[in-house]
Amino acid sequence: EIVMTQSPATLSVSPGERATLSCRASQSVSSNLAWYQQKPGQAPRLLISGASTRATGIPARFSGSGSGTEFTLTISSLQSEDFAVYYCQQYNNWLSTFGQGTKVEIK
Amino acid sequence: QVQLVQSGTEVKKPGASVKVSCKASGYTFSNYGFSWVRQAPGQGLEWMGWISAYNGKTNYAPKLQGRVTMTTETSTNTAYMELRSLRSDDTAVYYCARAGYFDSSDYWGQGTLVTVSS
Repeated sequence: EIVMTQSPATLSVSPGERATLSCRASQSVSSNLAWYQQKPGQAPRLLISGASTRATGIPARFSGSGSGTEFTLTISSLQSEDFAVYYCQQYNNWLSTFGQGTKVEIK
Repeated sequence: QVQLVQSGTEVKKPGASVKVSCKASGYTFSNYGFSWVRQAPGQGLEWMGWISAYNGKTNYAPKLQGRVTMTTETSTNTAYMELRSLRSDDTAVYYCARAGYFDSSDYWGQGTLVTVSS
């Protein structure tokens, strides 16, 4: 099983600031990496697939980068609606796995 | 527009089974598969498995192998996830999501709360 490790567990950021979230895979997943946003009481929402391709309707302030084992999700200027939990997911292997999540909270 | 609508809340006793449905609309059903993901209270996301709506091929998470069965019914555009021999640690919100083969999940159902309690 490929283990996905996200850091930090919690990120405190002021509105308008930049947020950088990390996701590391225990072995290479090529570019088969997705990022999701989840707000309380809601289903996850796909933000990024293929490590760097924004999903339909996702604002340009969200960007993804990386390949192999190291990945980053950047939110360039945090808006109030961006405070949420973010998960990475690898789908390179038949057994897909999620990271444990990073909570982005208001500083 | 793509929509996935799941069945309602379930309360089950330990040892029982639950079957959650996920009705799809707004796209060609057989062109995609479904991932099932669960989330225990206050916890992260856990991938349970995937099924092709084209040919019924499945991949299940090893920890659930033998207890979980995923199926699809093309006549009604509905996917199902059955979990047997329920335990208290199966208490979670269960989500279906549209997903291609070895792909991300781009549309999600609203979730179904399954509570296992004696």
